[in-house]
This record gives sequence, structure tokens and C-alpha cells, in this order.
Amino acid sequence: QQQVKQSPQSLIVQKGGISIINCAYENTAFDYFPWYQQFPGKGPALLIAIRPDVSEKKEGRFTISFNKSAKQFSLHIMDSQPGDSATYFCAASRRTSGTYKYIFGTGTRLKVLA
Amino acid sequence: ETGVTQTPRHLVMGMTNKKSLKCEQHLGHNAMYWYKQSAKKPLELMFVYSLEERVENNSVPSRFSPECPNSSHLFLHLHTLQPEDSALYLCASSQDPGLATQYFGPGTRLTVL
Repeated sequence: QQQVKQSPQSLIVQKGGISIINCAYENTAFDYFPWYQQFPGKGPALLIAIRPDVSEKKEGRFTISFNKSAKQFSLHIMDSQPGDSATYFCAASRRTSGTYKYIFGTGTRLKVLA
Repeated sequence: ETGVTQTPRHLVMGMTNKKSLKCEQHLGHNAMYWYKQSAKKPLELMFVYSLEERVENNSVPSRFSPECPNSSHLFLHLHTLQPEDSALYLCASSQDPGLATQYFGPGTRLTVL
């Protein structure tokens, strides 16, 4: 119930293509779903996040699609660029005892070919 | 300095050594976190501090000892570690533990020989 399953483990996309990363969760109590981007040697940086009361959120080239009934959410990177090459982590979180706790996926290593 | 900083960035230690990791946040946040990031495993929450009080200990072995002297600084004291403790240790902060968004530092890459 506490797992977040992320796929694929790795992804190679041509420049200008669409990158799609999927995550699935089980616990319906989760109410905040962020995506983090991590470059080698750096910590994860918040990219975009969504709450379950909306089905889609877009920020620039990054879009989260959220399917509450299927308990799935995905990250779409439009017009993928070589600079987007990084590891992406999804997370699901909920507040328990006054503290938000994140359950992270295992990460997707994205490589965008020039 | 902005955001969340961590020192040292790399650390190699023997199993009998004692060392400390330091985290500092410059965001005016009230909550700080330690995470462990191992290869091919999800990030694991270790500790949560809110206003210098520990509010979460996620079944972490006692060879890891956190300390939060004020809301801007967080330490992780290490002693008698095992090789399987080698990982990237990440510090994060949030405005309040009850608010969702967390901001991460660059991490300390720890190698235990």
C-alpha cells in the first residue's frame, strides 16, 4: 500500500520527441504528487506537482496527467531537449501526524539524443 | 549561499570512524529532513525535524544520530557504519512539516570502507 511503482527504468528519446514516465500508487490517502528532476552530482529539484482534485497540470514543456480512478499519474516532457537528460522521480505523499511524508518511485533515467 | 547546502560533498570513512554530515538551509523553513539515496532504490526518509524537535525516526539504526541545534542547521552524526551504509545522503527542508513541498540539497556521497 505504501509503494509507488515507476516505469520505465530508463528511456531514450530523440530531440524534439515526447518523453513519458508513468507512476502508479495504491494508497488512496495520498494527496500530493510531485515530480523531481535530478542531475548527476546534484540533489533532486522539484519540477512540477499536482493534487488529486485536478486531472492535468502544465508548466512549460512539462505536464502531469493524473488519473485518480486508476491511481496513476504520468509526466510528459514535450519537445524533449538534451538538457532534459536526467533522472526523474515521482513521489506520492500524505500528511500523517502533522508531517508530509513522501514515498518515492525508483526513478527513470532519461537520455535525450541530440 | 542560497537554498539548501550540504557539507562535505564527498566523504570516505572506515567502519570505526566517527564523522558528521552538515546541512544548512537558507530558506527560512521550519522543517528539515534526512534521506538516504541508494542505487536502484527509492529515496528513503530517515528523520524529520520540526522547529528543532525530532518528529519522525523511520526505524533508522542507532549508528546514525541526527542533531538539529536550530531551524537552519541539521547534522547527521555517523559512527561504526557498515559498507552497506554507503549512499548519497540528502538533506531537505520545507516551510512547515505539514506543507507538502520539500527542497533538497545536493547531498553528501558517503563511502564506507
